Amino acid sequence: NAGVTQTPKFRILKIGQSMTLQCAQDMNHNYMYWYRQDPGMGLKLIYYSVGAGITDKGEVPNGYNVSRSTTEDFPLRLELAAPSQTSVYFCASSALRGGTYEQYFGPGTRLTVT
Amino acid sequence: DAKTTQPPSMDCAEGRAANLPCNHSTISGNEYVYWYRQIHSQGPQYIIHGLKNNETNEMASLIITEDRKSSTLILPHATLRDTAVYYCIPPGNQFYFGTGTSLTVIP
Repeated sequence: NAGVTQTPKFRILKIGQSMTLQCAQDMNHNYMYWYRQDPGMGLKLIYYSVGAGITDKGEVPNGYNVSRSTTEDFPLRLELAAPSQTSVYFCASSALRGGTYEQYFGPGTRLTVT
Repeated sequence: DAKTTQPPSMDCAEGRAANLPCNHSTISGNEYVYWYRQIHSQGPQYIIHGLKNNETNEMASLIITEDRKSSTLILPHATLRDTAVYYCIPPGNQFYFGTGTSLTVIP
């Protein structure tokens, strides 16, 4: 299994541009998540999904959108990039097993908005 | 929402046991404590989880106090590759990754 994959690895955007961060998992997990991590800080949840067609906001959803049309894919959309969105973005997935939710993370996308 | 308190940094000599403490601000009866680590800005990696009893796997051991207000992650024989930031995820708030403990293993 490839686990959780993310593309691109790096991206530089100009203010006002749009882009989609791709995330895919091949573990048949129902749950998927998007986090952002600013330098020296912990992770903050942006959006999550408990299954295809179901998404919900996390702690810091403003400026982002998501969709979940399949179990495998969970893209994150930035519509109007702002310097405050410069961060590392991590996608994760998990399955509910015996009441536990171990999350498996992708390698991250490093985004710079200038 | 539940939060955690962890020391910001710790050092450990290579080959010795690393004991990383975590205080949980609230108790939730049926929720697990999870531990993850993040090596040099890679994606976080799941280590172990527990509910009430002590747990052990191939990576680490986890000790949870009887009142479930705190836990300790133990790396029995720390290596240089264990240098990372360790996150304790509190019971009932699986999305909370605070700033964690930055563990440095010293040769």
